[in-house]
Amino acid sequence: GQSLEQPSEVTAVEGAIVQINCTYQTSGFYGLSWYQQHDGGAPTFLSYNGLDGLEETGRFSSFLSRSDSYGYLLLQELQMKDSASYFCGLNSGYSTLTFGKGTMLLVSP
Amino acid sequence: DGGITQSPKYLFRKEGQNVTLSCEQNLNHDAMYWYRQDPGQGLRLIYYSQIVNDFQKGDIAEGYSVSREKKESFPLTVTSAQKNPTAFYLCASTLGLRSGANVLTFGAGSRLTVL
Repeated sequence: GQSLEQPSEVTAVEGAIVQINCTYQTSGFYGLSWYQQHDGGAPTFLSYNGLDGLEETGRFSSFLSRSDSYGYLLLQELQMKDSASYFCGLNSGYSTLTFGKGTMLLVSP
Repeated sequence: DGGITQSPKYLFRKEGQNVTLSCEQNLNHDAMYWYRQDPGQGLRLIYYSQIVNDFQKGDIAEGYSVSREKKESFPLTVTSAQKNPTAFYLCASTLGLRSGANVLTFGAGSRLTVL
């Protein structure tokens, strides 16, 4: 089966940089995705890594190391609106996406 | 605008009743999914369908049923056999993860409360 581990909560202040880690176990690997979900809302896609390295999309970047079964989401220049839950999702090639339990990010002034 | 429409947004049900949650998409996506979300549990896969008239069980399919008679529609029925149905239900779609399309589009969700 597949499993993912990510911290349950991370706190930071406006303007700071925060990193949300995700480790996974899987028998097959296509890629690792990141989604953002504001309270009570729909998850929205942020970033995807199919190969090792860093993918940058504006203030958000995502990194993957397949040899370490590890990835992270990096959020820069934090804003209050970034307070949300962030999920890593594993595409293991079985036509489904398995998600971690999510990391709640709390940004304070 | 293309997207996924879930209805109803809020639903209350008495114990022992079946309820059906609607999910309609106009994105021309082949694959559709149902996830359940509980506090602290993340998103857990209930059922998914890659093509019309075909669907597979996910990790927590017991007490649920689905159909896929049309490409645009993937309704979920929460049956009375589901022991703890109170949750937030999310429908999603994609062109198909095997095709290399890696982005899931989610609906706004349906919140089911059993009284």
